Amino acid sequence: SAVISQKPSRDICQRGTSLTIQCQVDSQVTMMFWYRQQPGQSLTLIATANQGSEATYESGFVIDKFPISRPNLTFSTLTVSNMSPEDSSIYLCSVEPQGVNTIYFGEGSWLTVV
Amino acid sequence: DAKTTQPTSMDCAEGRAANLPCNHSTISGNEYVYWYRQIHSQGPQYIIHGLKNNETNEMASLIITEDRKSSTLILPHATLRDTAVYYCIVRVPAGNNRKLIWGLGTSLAVNP
Repeated sequence: SAVISQKPSRDICQRGTSLTIQCQVDSQVTMMFWYRQQPGQSLTLIATANQGSEATYESGFVIDKFPISRPNLTFSTLTVSNMSPEDSSIYLCSVEPQGVNTIYFGEGSWLTVV
Repeated sequence: DAKTTQPTSMDCAEGRAANLPCNHSTISGNEYVYWYRQIHSQGPQYIIHGLKNNETNEMASLIITEDRKSSTLILPHATLRDTAVYYCIVRVPAGNNRKLIWGLGTSLAVNP
């Protein structure tokens, strides 16, 4: 398995501001994924972030709104830009260690936009 | 869209086995069946996965039908801490389309 740490775990943000969520993994992983889970909903994939290449965004998500960095094999950031109350969600980082064929999740970052 | 269907909710008595069903009638030959659970406001926890053989680990057992169109997750002795939303997902093991597509899962309530 992999140990995944996310920061912040919770935050309350003013609308119009931006927040960067950090994801740190205890081992080197090629594939990292960022998900959003809105209140009462299931998980929705935002983007796949592989080290050494641009993030691949899912339909409905754009880089200007959710810029992602992946500077190395153990770290990634997701920024939620120009936040509105509709961005209030849990944001989850997940990884797939090589050779494991399983995806593991961090504890999530709970954002409330007021 | 999710390729699986699950009951919205289930109840189970503490100490009894919890059997959670999942239908995946359109599963492809190379797609695995994965189970995760999510306890309120926490990140999803991996439970188990399998291709066609039954699988068992320290958390649960996974029974996959011979035609692979459905599966059952078994928690042999449910405890109150097993109260969670359980997700059944199918996924290919390699290639660019390996993302997990999540449905709404089954909300399992383990009662004392």
